[in-house]
Amino acid sequence: DAKTTQPPSMDCAEGRAANLPCNHSTISGNEYVYWYRQIHSQGPQYIIHGLKNNETNEMASLIITEDRKSSTLILPHATLRDTAVYYCIVPSNTGKLIFGQGTTLQVKP
Amino acid sequence: EAQVTQNPRYLITVTGKKLTVTCSQNMNHEYMSWYRQDPGLGLRQIYYSMNVEVTDKGDVPEGYKVSRKEKRNFPLILESPSPNQTSLYFCASSLSRVNEKLFFGSGTQLSVL
Repeated sequence: DAKTTQPPSMDCAEGRAANLPCNHSTISGNEYVYWYRQIHSQGPQYIIHGLKNNETNEMASLIITEDRKSSTLILPHATLRDTAVYYCIVPSNTGKLIFGQGTTLQVKP
Repeated sequence: EAQVTQNPRYLITVTGKKLTVTCSQNMNHEYMSWYRQDPGLGLRQIYYSMNVEVTDKGDVPEGYKVSRKEKRNFPLILESPSPNQTSLYFCASSLSRVNEKLFFGSGTQLSVL
């Protein structure tokens, strides 16, 4: 099961881009990278996912390195409502999902 | 509306009194899973189910039971709750077990006295 490593916390100024890194050096060729976020104690919310190409949706962009060992979630214009814990996970074929502790992003005015 | 529904939202109980937390999804999802969340420990998987009558242990299954008799329901059972099971619990589902996004319930805050 691929394990991910994220920094425990990051700060970002409101209106600026927030770049959240994730290492997944043991990822295998057919495993996707998923990003979720959790605001306060609510249920985590899906943000975006990708395999090898960069992806963009209405919430964020996902940049995956060519060797797929790491990725970066980009919130292009962070707002105070983006303050949350962000989880990078790699679902395995076994069904086990390891969330880890995620990165706490604090967006400051 | 597509959703994962957990009940109850809050539960206070005493040590040893059996309880069930229900989870239901209306999206015809095959995969369902339970997580607990404790301060500083992130989300840890308790059990998961890849389809009806198919369940498997996650990382922290001790003290919990699950069943998957119907596709839509995946109850979490604590036969003899203990204070160390005081936690925030989340149920989640996805279309299949691999490479599908998870939908989470709103959570159940359990306190075992």
